[in-house]
Amino acid sequence: DQQVKQNSPSLSVQEGRISILNCDYTNSMFDYFLWYKKYPAEGPTFLISISSIKDKNEDGRFTVFLNKSAKHLSLHIVPSQPGDSAVYFCAASRFMNRDDKIIFGKGTRLHILP
Amino acid sequence: GAGVSQSPSNKVTEKGKDVELRCDPISGHTALYWYRQRLGQGLEFLIYFQGNSAPDKSGLPSDRFSAERTGESVSTLTIQRTQQEDSAVYLCATRPPIFSTDTQYFGPGTRLTVL
Repeated sequence: DQQVKQNSPSLSVQEGRISILNCDYTNSMFDYFLWYKKYPAEGPTFLISISSIKDKNEDGRFTVFLNKSAKHLSLHIVPSQPGDSAVYFCAASRFMNRDDKIIFGKGTRLHILP
Repeated sequence: GAGVSQSPSNKVTEKGKDVELRCDPISGHTALYWYRQRLGQGLEFLIYFQGNSAPDKSGLPSDRFSAERTGESVSTLTIQRTQQEDSAVYLCATRPPIFSTDTQYFGPGTRLTVL
């Protein structure tokens, strides 16, 4: 039973345009959400997070939106740059329930086209 | 170094052999996780250590998999009688003490190939 779903295995976006990566979750107890970025042959690195008490968090070119009623979050990257080409993992946890385990989605491979 | 380190970076083994993978955490990080990523798949949780508490082993796929960690030190993941489906990148991550909003910090992974 997949609790965190990234339904698009890959996405191609023109350089300079907006990249939108989507994520759905099923467990309403999740209260903390994260995005990780992974380059080949490297471990994932933290990108941005959002608590369930917010619906938006912005950090430079990266913005995460959370829609709790739809159990959906999205990562917006604007403008997209060549270095953004990577696999992006959505993750969720029950932080306030002291459950430190983080559940990851399967990832979306983003290709930024020149 | 300041990050999580893992060794070996690559391991090729024959089916049926045992392998041991090592993770050196960031100093002071009390929580340690093992994940694996098989080809075309996402990150699959294996096991979680938090300080001296009993580990959460709910993600271990079979009894051939085991992991140890003493206190907040090095962790080893052992796979006995390896099978071809064990081939994957095994990732270790650590995290500062609970109730911190700091995220998990991943090591570079060990790529295991079982022939």
